[in-house]
Amino acid sequence: EPEVTQTPSHQVTQMGQEVILRCVPISNHLYFYWYRQILGQKVEFLVSFYNNEISEKSEIFDDQFSVERPDGSNFTLKIRSTKLEDSAMYFCASSVGDRSYTFGSGTRLTVV
Amino acid sequence: QKEVEQDPGPLSVPEGAIVSLNCTYSNSAFQYFMWYRQYSRKGPELLMYTYSSGNKEDGRFTAQVDKSSKYISLFIRDSQPSDSATYLCAMKGLGSQGNLIFGKGTKLSVKP
Repeated sequence: EPEVTQTPSHQVTQMGQEVILRCVPISNHLYFYWYRQILGQKVEFLVSFYNNEISEKSEIFDDQFSVERPDGSNFTLKIRSTKLEDSAMYFCASSVGDRSYTFGSGTRLTVV
Repeated sequence: QKEVEQDPGPLSVPEGAIVSLNCTYSNSAFQYFMWYRQYSRKGPELLMYTYSSGNKEDGRFTAQVDKSSKYISLFIRDSQPSDSATYLCAMKGLGSQGNLIFGKGTKLSVKP
């Protein structure tokens, strides 16, 4: 069964450093998303991406965040200057239409 | 009032029991309702997807949506130990490009 692949599975970074989280969505999917889940809290929407541009973003997705689809297969989330409160599981998801989403297994980001 | 409320449990049942999981919500604009299953340290996995009100059945799983009461349910028949996981409800409005609003999740344990 096709799956969304995320790398790395765990990333530790120092506060203030830039991180790039990588995702390979399912190949025939057209919509791409990033969500995050702080330990013990709800899964929260960050951003959706369609047709090479951001289609929707949440209040969390401020200027320190950016997304990119650098080639035909990868979808990345960049956090420019990490803060301690950015520590969370980050999930990439993709879908054919804007309804049924397939999530990856996540990248656990730890900011120290 | 929080947008989506879900009893976090934990809920413990014997194998073979019928499990009832529920969410309430406050935003009457929600039109799409989903149930996800999440195993520890993994991404959410879509179980059921429903548009507007009504019932949907898939194997041992039945999803119900009552928009008049702003209440959704997931029933699991003949529960198995492999059903032990956290169950997340999620919903979104028409025209939302991926902004799923999740409940906090109910942790279910099915004892053999």
